[in-house]
Amino acid sequence: GPKVLQIPSHQIIDMGQMVTLNCDPVSNHLYFYWYKQILGQQMEFLVNFYNGKVMEKSKLFKDQFSVERPDGSYFTLKIQPTALEDSAVYFCASSSDRENTLYFGAGTRLSVL
Amino acid sequence: GEQVEQLPSILRVQEGSSASINCTYENSASNYFPWYKQEPGENPKLIIDIRSNMERKQTQGLIVLLDKKAKRFSLHITDTQPGDSAMYFCAASGNYAQGLTFGLGTRVSVFP
Repeated sequence: GPKVLQIPSHQIIDMGQMVTLNCDPVSNHLYFYWYKQILGQQMEFLVNFYNGKVMEKSKLFKDQFSVERPDGSYFTLKIQPTALEDSAVYFCASSSDRENTLYFGAGTRLSVL
Repeated sequence: GEQVEQLPSILRVQEGSSASINCTYENSASNYFPWYKQEPGENPKLIIDIRSNMERKQTQGLIVLLDKKAKRFSLHITDTQPGDSAMYFCAASGNYAQGLTFGLGTRVSVFP
């Protein structure tokens, strides 16, 4: 089926530093999402991105978070500065239409020390 | 927004029997209800979904039921196999911009 690629699979970073998580969505998809999953818990919606803009974000999407997809390349999630509570697995997802069939990447495990 | 409750959190079933997971949602405007299966260290994979214009959908040993009046939907795995052992998440969404609201998950273990 359609594949969403996420790079890197694991990132270890010191608190206060910046981190960028990269997502290569399915090629013809137009809607992009980030979800956060703390170990053993459910995935929680962070943000939805369409047509170069953030469409909606949750209260988990703090001011330190930003997303972009410059020139159709990677869809990125940047956290600057990172905090200990940002440690989680971040899943990227994409969708081709408004009908909400989301395909998820394998996730990036972020460890903030 | 949306809130999704999922029960049970843990489900142990004997191989060959069926497993049922139940979810409820709050937002009556939600119209899309997917189910994802997640194995340890892997991404969640869509296994079946149902939209609000249907009450029942079946595919390859999976049945989903939707009761819009009760705001309840359920997944039934028939003839469970060891490969069905995983975390299962239900989700609900009202529109594309809101993304999906997930339940807390059900850890299904199929034993011989």
